[in-house]
This record gives sequence, structure tokens and C-alpha cells, in this order.
Amino acid sequence: GQNIDQPTEMTATEGAIVQINCTYQTSGFNGLFWYQQHAGEAPTFLSYNVLDGLEEKGRFSSFLSRSKGYSYLLLKELQMKDSASYLCAVRPLSGNTPLVFGKGTRLSVIA
Amino acid sequence: EAQVTQNPRYLITVTGKKLTVTCSQNMNHEYMSWYRQDPGLGLRQIYYSMNVEVTDKGDVPEGYKVSRKEKRNFPLILESPSPNQTSLYFCASSLFGQTGYMNEQFFGPGTRLTVL
Repeated sequence: GQNIDQPTEMTATEGAIVQINCTYQTSGFNGLFWYQQHAGEAPTFLSYNVLDGLEEKGRFSSFLSRSKGYSYLLLKELQMKDSASYLCAVRPLSGNTPLVFGKGTRLSVIA
Repeated sequence: EAQVTQNPRYLITVTGKKLTVTCSQNMNHEYMSWYRQDPGLGLRQIYYSMNVEVTDKGDVPEGYKVSRKEKRNFPLILESPSPNQTSLYFCASSLFGQTGYMNEQFFGPGTRLTVL
């Protein structure tokens, strides 16, 4: 079976740091993606992890622990424009099968 | 510019009137997919295609058809739309990397469909 869990909503203050968690239980694992989606717009790719550890990309970092079935997206120096939904997606073991998406976490950045 | 395009972007129609939403990508991607997105339910996959003439059902295929006659195009067909198909629809495409594994997906801008 495939199951991906993320918190439904989070609120954080401008300039702060926020961590969005994602846990997964899937029939195989071969990589995890994070996407950002502003309301009414298309999801856009943020990051990809396949090995344990932290991947840093400017203000955004993503962490993966394969043994724990766990990932997080870390957003630093939050800006109002970071208010969006953040989707976690797992690539199953068989590389040519579709991604499995979580329901997303809606982040609100307040002043 | 590398992109996925969808048309129309907005559509209001009535129950039972057949419609087609087009999707096209210019990145020579093998993989294409259709999703619907509804509040509280996240992205749900309708159909996907690994390559030309190869299509498979996703999680919610009922009431939809697709075809993949050319690599760049993947239209979504609603033969007899019903109100429960009112949703935001996204087309996406992806390349298979050298390892054979799917890379990140690129999404079209979305089609907001209302069925009255």
C-alpha cells in the first residue's frame, strides 16, 4: 500500500524558520520530491532526495531518512510569498511507476 | 521555452456534453499524466502514459478517457461530464533519466472545469 502523511496546515511568522514534515509508507522507495503550489496555480519542483541526509538550495533545504520513512522541508527567512501548499511525493521502487503524492501542507506566513 | 500547455484554462459546461481538454509538452518527455485536485483530497491521478500508445489507469479513472497518439500530446476526454467532475485539472510530464527512473514532473497551468 501507499500512504504519505503531512500536516494539513501550518502558520509561521515572516523571517522565521519552519519545518514541514512528511512520513511515508510505500511499497518500495526510490526517491522523494517536494513541490510548492500557490493557490490556483500549478505545482513547481523544489527539491529531490534519494540518499539520507540534507540537500540545501538557498533558503530551502530538504532532509531524508530512509530507515525512518521520513522527510522534512526546511524554509528559512520566511517571506510572505512562501505562503503556499507544499507537496511531498514519493517515487516507488520501480522507477517507471507514477509518483505518489501526499495531500499537501498549506503554509500561511504572517507578519 | 520548455513548458506544458493546457487548453482551455477555464470551462463551464453542462451535464452530458462531451468535452476534451488538451495537453501538450515540448520537452520530448516520455511520461505524461492527468491529475484532478479537489479541496482536502490533494492531487489524484486519473490516467498516465509511459510513452506513445501506452496508457494506464490511475486512482480515479471513472468517467474519463485519454489517448496518446503522439509523444507531445495527451488529451483528456470527458464523454458525458457530470457535476462530480467539477474540479481543477493538471497535466504533467516527465523524462526518464539514464537510470530509467522518472525525474521530476513538470505541470501545466491547470484547467478549472465546472459542470452544471
